[in-house]
Amino acid sequence: SQTIHQWPATLVQPVGSPLSLECTVEGTSNPNLYWYRQAAGRGLQLLFYSVGIGQISSEVPQNLSASRPQDRQFILSSKKLLLSDSGFYLCAWSTGRSPLHFGNGTRLTVT
Amino acid sequence: AQKITQTQPGMFVQEKEAVTLDCTYDTSDPSYGLFWYKQPSSGEMIFLIYQGSYDQQNATEGRYSLNFQKARKSANLVISASQLGDSAMYFCAMREDWNTGNQFYFGTGTSLTVIP
Repeated sequence: SQTIHQWPATLVQPVGSPLSLECTVEGTSNPNLYWYRQAAGRGLQLLFYSVGIGQISSEVPQNLSASRPQDRQFILSSKKLLLSDSGFYLCAWSTGRSPLHFGNGTRLTVT
Repeated sequence: AQKITQTQPGMFVQEKEAVTLDCTYDTSDPSYGLFWYKQPSSGEMIFLIYQGSYDQQNATEGRYSLNFQKARKSANLVISASQLGDSAMYFCAMREDWNTGNQFYFGTGTSLTVIP
């Protein structure tokens, strides 16, 4: 069966520090991969999605970037975090017309 | 224009009663999918139910059913016999199969509280 792993679960980082969040999917090939951000009590904002290795679409201009170095690995990065980057980050995957399947999320607090 | 609209920020329901969470969508794509997700306070996103645009019958999954009215572009979630564990945020989502292919659009969510 397919599983998605996302880590870390929580993270507290100072302003200006770098960020790396990692997500891996098991049990499926060539998935579409997504990064979403959710501010406290708000809806989901699509940040990036990828349909294949090295193929990244950015939905929101910001100081975040994403990379897909392997078929089932999706990484969210930042060189210098801002206070406004605080939030709940969710990685997700889908294939074909399947629903989105989410990881457990990372709660990021920038101090 | 918003692709997905959820007009109820918060809803309350008595335990064991049924509740309807509203969702309207906007698309010109003839082929699309509609989804509902539950997000408890722990934050995980749990897939509940799916309705395809060509499906003739309303989708059902246990206590969840999707009231699909294509002409009105609505996809309301009905939860029957509410339980305390149903208290959570609920999100409606849509995927356009042709226009944008791989993107999922989410509404702003409805917070459901089940009262004992």
